[in-house]
Amino acid sequence: NAGVTQTPKFQVLKTGQSMTLQCAQDMNHNSMYWYRQDPGMGLRLIYYSASEGTTDKGEVPNGYNVSRLNKREFSLRLESAAPSQTSVYFCATQPGSSGNTIYFGEGSWLTVV
Amino acid sequence: RKEVEQDPGPFNVPEGATVAFNCTYSNSASQSFFWYRQDCRKEPKLLMSVYSSGNEDGRFTAQLNRASQYISLLIRDSKLSDSATYLCVVNTGGGNKLTFGTGTQLKVEL
Repeated sequence: NAGVTQTPKFQVLKTGQSMTLQCAQDMNHNSMYWYRQDPGMGLRLIYYSASEGTTDKGEVPNGYNVSRLNKREFSLRLESAAPSQTSVYFCATQPGSSGNTIYFGEGSWLTVV
Repeated sequence: RKEVEQDPGPFNVPEGATVAFNCTYSNSASQSFFWYRQDCRKEPKLLMSVYSSGNEDGRFTAQLNRASQYISLLIRDSKLSDSATYLCVVNTGGGNKLTFGTGTQLKVEL
């Protein structure tokens, strides 16, 4: 999925450590999103950015911060990782309005021990 | 009530069978509807959008029932390669708020 690139793909963290998940898109889309996916919970929105320079909280923002560095990049930071943040994280992009298709990166598997 | 609800399955069907999934949504103001497919340990990918008049793409048919607030996905002549989890996605609050169902797992068997 060359359009949306996430790094790293796999990461193991110790409780209390910090890390940043990187996301970059080459699709020239305005909107970018960070979701987490847990068994039985579906995809839940953490934060989103409707355009460069703006960010908003989603459904589960606690314990995370984001930065929309420019139109291409949207990073997700865990300041002090907790076991409850063990999950699969997906970055996604969307051209503009809510009626448009959303495109996902390949996911980042994070384990906090 | 959840904003978007799906039967988690799994639906185990023989190759060649026809199978249908429903998805209910709670916000009557929802305007955009999609079906996504997610393979094991992969990202979700758009299968098809759902239009008010219903739409078809090969073996796949999607329908919207606004009165009863559900969308459906029909798969005809199931293939082994159709085995995946199918996610219902609804624009529930206007703006960019998309809500995902938890997914319905389909297993197509020989």
